[in-house]
Amino acid sequence: QKEVEQDPGPLSVPEGAIVSLNCTYSNSAFQYFMWYRQYSRKGPELLMYTYSSGNKEDGRFTAQVDKSSKYISLFIRDSQPSDSATYLCAMTPWEAPRGFQKLVFGTGTRLLVSP
Amino acid sequence: GAGVSQSPSNKVTEKGKDVELRCDPISGHTALYWYRQSLGQGLEFLIYFQGNSAPDKSGLPSDRFSAERTGGSVSTLTIQRTQQEDSAVYLCASSLISRAGYGTQYFGPGTRLLVL
Repeated sequence: QKEVEQDPGPLSVPEGAIVSLNCTYSNSAFQYFMWYRQYSRKGPELLMYTYSSGNKEDGRFTAQVDKSSKYISLFIRDSQPSDSATYLCAMTPWEAPRGFQKLVFGTGTRLLVSP
Repeated sequence: GAGVSQSPSNKVTEKGKDVELRCDPISGHTALYWYRQSLGQGLEFLIYFQGNSAPDKSGLPSDRFSAERTGGSVSTLTIQRTQQEDSAVYLCASSLISRAGYGTQYFGPGTRLLVL
């Protein structure tokens, strides 16, 4: 079983829809949670990160973490065709003394927003 | 400012040949990471550098894979005697390490390797 599970999609929605993307994880040591967006033939770019349970909002994007259920979500409001990309969740444990954390990624969900 | 750059963008090689992939991190970033992204798979951690040393090589899949970093900047990932299963996108990322111990990782565009 993978440490991080993510539905690969594709997820197809009409423009303006609310999109919900999700990941589940098994390692309770994970403390930092991130969402990356990856356009075709490009490297991933960080959208949001959070290290606590609850919601974090940034414009049209809301990241939600439920550590008790080991479940994270990314919501996109008023989706646009330009949001069409692959969305990767990533997470890492708290290892401050080591000065870095190895990111563990989900497989990514491909999102298609049609005009 | 300039982001992470990688070269070549694409590489086609024959099975058994050696390949070198290059990463130029963001200037001043002390940490550098290599990941591999295979079709249908998430990003897989390969190796991490802090300065020129590699405290974590745990993700290198075999002894055919090696990496070095010189001058605390440019890094090279070398794959010897390539196999078809090495075909993937190889991504490099760099970050500053904050006092809290974590820095956002910024990714390059990747090198697409195809082993025939």
